[in-house]
Amino acid sequence: DTAVSQTPKYLVTQMGNDKSIKCEQNLGHDTMYWYKQDSKKFLKIMFSYNNKELIINETVPNRFSPKSPDKAHLNLHINSLELGDSAVYFCASSQRDSKLFFGSGTQLSVL
Amino acid sequence: GENVEQHPSTLSVQEGDSAVIKCTYSDSASNYFPWYKQELGKGPQLIIDIRSNVGEKKDQRIAVTLNKTAKHFSLHITETQPEDSAVYFCAASKHTGTASKLTFGTGTRLQVTL
Repeated sequence: DTAVSQTPKYLVTQMGNDKSIKCEQNLGHDTMYWYKQDSKKFLKIMFSYNNKELIINETVPNRFSPKSPDKAHLNLHINSLELGDSAVYFCASSQRDSKLFFGSGTQLSVL
Repeated sequence: GENVEQHPSTLSVQEGDSAVIKCTYSDSASNYFPWYKQELGKGPQLIIDIRSNVGEKKDQRIAVTLNKTAKHFSLHITETQPEDSAVYFCAASKHTGTASKLTFGTGTRLQVTL
């Protein structure tokens, strides 16, 4: 029933590890996003895909690699995790009207 | 790029009172201004939005006003209730038809006290 679902909800890992976050939307939207929310609650866009094509790629370290196998899925893989990567990562989707629907977030803690 | 400033960062009101949150933006080409509510442990949820061809929009107890000349927009919540307590974010973007690159404000933590 959930519109935008992402897994896992919590991710605790050591520095240097590689991890992935998965996102799926069942709204039939063409566009999906990854946003990062830092400890001060600031939300910043990282990537956006439209129908599997990368269209927004903000200044994000290339350790972050998004992958969209189909328009309903957008995954985020992070290599060589650093302490500063600790944050809440939100997946979102939208249709042409710009209204974003967010998932419930993945809280990443890098130790 | 776009820059969105939001004030105040925290706001405490008594139940039944009104709450106003204000935002300014820098890019005069921005044409879409949504407001999101984020409850603890959840993702932001769209509560109301306004496009640049409209000056005001209302949905029950929530209203948004937009002043394009001054480049600022505001969220008004009337008759506040405890369940209105949350973090509210304004945002601005240029709607491209394919993706919306929202630039968010820094958030306002609203506390509605009994």
